[in-house]
Amino acid sequence: ELKVEQNPLFLSMQEGKNYTIYCNYSTTSDRLYWYRQDPGKSLESLFVLLSNGAVKQEGRLMASLDTKARLSTLHITAAVHDLSATYFCATSRGGGGADGLTFGKGTHLIIQP
Amino acid sequence: NAGVTQTPKFRVLKTGQSMTLLCAQDMNHEYMYWYRQDPGMGLRLIHYSVGEGTTAKGEVPDGYNVSRLKKQNFLLGLESAAPSQTSVYFCASSYLRKDLRTDTQYFGPGTRLTVL
Repeated sequence: ELKVEQNPLFLSMQEGKNYTIYCNYSTTSDRLYWYRQDPGKSLESLFVLLSNGAVKQEGRLMASLDTKARLSTLHITAAVHDLSATYFCATSRGGGGADGLTFGKGTHLIIQP
Repeated sequence: NAGVTQTPKFRVLKTGQSMTLLCAQDMNHEYMYWYRQDPGMGLRLIHYSVGEGTTAKGEVPDGYNVSRLKKQNFLLGLESAAPSQTSVYFCASSYLRKDLRTDTQYFGPGTRLTVL
């Protein structure tokens, strides 16, 4: 059974600080997705990582994938209040990615002034 | 483009009632999905479809049925609602890239369902 574990599940941090969210998954997968969800809203795609060693950056967020370690990280640089949200990682349930995603439980991030 | 839309946005049912949730996408995507989101549980896949006329079970399919009669629509049915089906339901769609690997999933706004 595929399992995706995120840690921490809850994170409160101050503006200007750096932090990393970790995402471990239990079976072989060559793709990893990161999503953002604001309260009461839908999920917004942040990053799609499709190969070992993939690194993508958008503003203050940077995501990486290590398929050998079955680990992805989401790094936040110099956090700002607007990044407060819940962040989910997910990986494909089977080969090809067409048969849906398995999600982690999410990391609830609060960034305080 | 409207992207992925869901109808209705909110619904309250009594135990034993039935209902259908409608998902529509205008991006010509092959793949469509239904997830449910419960507090502290992340999203869990209910059913999915890899093409018109095809459906398959996901992680938590019991108590739900689906149909995909048209490529752009994916319906989720609850035949006899139970309080355990109180949740937020998200529909999503995706497509096969030219390199034969699926792209990210695009999510609808969600349907908040309460079963009393």
